[in-house]
Amino acid sequence: KAGVTQTPRYLIKTRGQQVTLSCSPISGHRSVSWYQQTPGQGLQFLFEYFSETQRNKGNFPGRFSGRQFSNSRSEMNVSTLELGDSALYLCASSLGTGGVGQPQHFGDGTRLSIL
Amino acid sequence: GQQLNQSPQSMFIQEGEDVSMNCTSSSIFNTWLWYKQDPGEGPVLLIALYKAGELTSNGRLTAQFGITRKDSFLNISASIPSDVGIYFCAGFDGSSNTGKLIFGQGTTLQVKP
Repeated sequence: KAGVTQTPRYLIKTRGQQVTLSCSPISGHRSVSWYQQTPGQGLQFLFEYFSETQRNKGNFPGRFSGRQFSNSRSEMNVSTLELGDSALYLCASSLGTGGVGQPQHFGDGTRLSIL
Repeated sequence: GQQLNQSPQSMFIQEGEDVSMNCTSSSIFNTWLWYKQDPGEGPVLLIALYKAGELTSNGRLTAQFGITRKDSFLNISASIPSDVGIYFCAGFDGSSNTGKLIFGQGTTLQVKP
């Protein structure tokens, strides 16, 4: 069974640019969540999408946005990049149904570096 | 943002020793999850706990969901070099019912052969 696939694995951008990251969930999973991982802040929840709708949102500025397609694949976009956006961005998928508490399975992340 | 208190932050042990780490929260959690992350990879789910008092094993790993629903621990028995990595606890906050996964700060484990 294929796991969660994230592309690209690495990205280098400069301040002010924008970036789009992609995530393909495990087959049959309808929920996709995004997390930012940094040494200082650890793993922080960005948002969750389920059935093409944002279901939960973390405490990140509006520069961070996402969407989900009908095949459950998801993209995350960050506009007007800042140095502090350098991080590992992780995507996780879960079934998304049956109430809260469904285990999330992670991809290997996209390492974003801002110069 | 809200975080779980995970301890210890790091451990350096001899191969063959047992390891114990735990997580505590100020609020009640519905689900506790334990993950392991290796360098350059995403977290891998080790154990999921759904009920207060639940004790679950996965090979040499054992985890428990605390009776108060505010804590969980993970034990690793007879550690081996491949146990090296960062272990995270995570949970779904029962008070908010948001479905947002909250993570501990991680425990870095090093094993000396």
